[in-house]
Amino acid sequence: AQTVTQSQPEMSVQEAETVTLSCTYDTSESDYYLFWYKQPPSRQMILVIRQEAYKQQNATENRFSVNFQKAAKSFSLKISDSQLGDAAMYFCAYRSPMDSNYQLIWGAGTKLIIKP
Amino acid sequence: NAGVMQNPRHLVRRRGQEARLRCSPMKGHSHVYWYRQLPEEGLKFMVYLQKENIIDESGMPKERFSAEFPKEGPSILRIQQVVRGDSAAYFCASSTRTGEYGANVLTFGAGSRLTVL
Repeated sequence: AQTVTQSQPEMSVQEAETVTLSCTYDTSESDYYLFWYKQPPSRQMILVIRQEAYKQQNATENRFSVNFQKAAKSFSLKISDSQLGDAAMYFCAYRSPMDSNYQLIWGAGTKLIIKP
Repeated sequence: NAGVMQNPRHLVRRRGQEARLRCSPMKGHSHVYWYRQLPEEGLKFMVYLQKENIIDESGMPKERFSAEFPKEGPSILRIQQVVRGDSAAYFCASSTRTGEYGANVLTFGAGSRLTVL
């Protein structure tokens, strides 16, 4: 069975600095999808970035980028130029291509604190 | 587009009472999913519904929990005779279609936090 591990319960970063949130996963599949979701204090889950495993190029979305290391089964999220609005819980998630889009496997989350 | 609307945002119940959580999907979305988030854990899938049909309830506890998505109105997650272990955040998500390879991303609501005293 697939698992997702986020080893950092909490991270803090100075405003305008760069921070990296780690995520590792375990799977025997060769193709799959990986996601980072943000959950601000409003508690709404917001998709930050998505990566298809068959793509070697790391996904990027404005200040957010991932470092996808398929062999190491690592999927870290880098946030550049951190802003106060980035403060939230961040969840890493995995989906098998054989599963439907609702059958995501979630990590426990990392709380990101932005210091002004 | 108001997004996925959930209410109430916070609900407090005493042990043995019933809790009803409502979810209105995004306009144009006919698929609804419920998830539960326990403290310090990720989301766990509970149930997937389409209008008037339960498609997958493999994540639902066998007792006390039920869900519906009527032809008219929001989807309802109902918890009967609540216990302290039911205290959690319950999230609803919606999508246009499901099961397509590489397609679709869920849109989540803000969640409902249930506290059982």
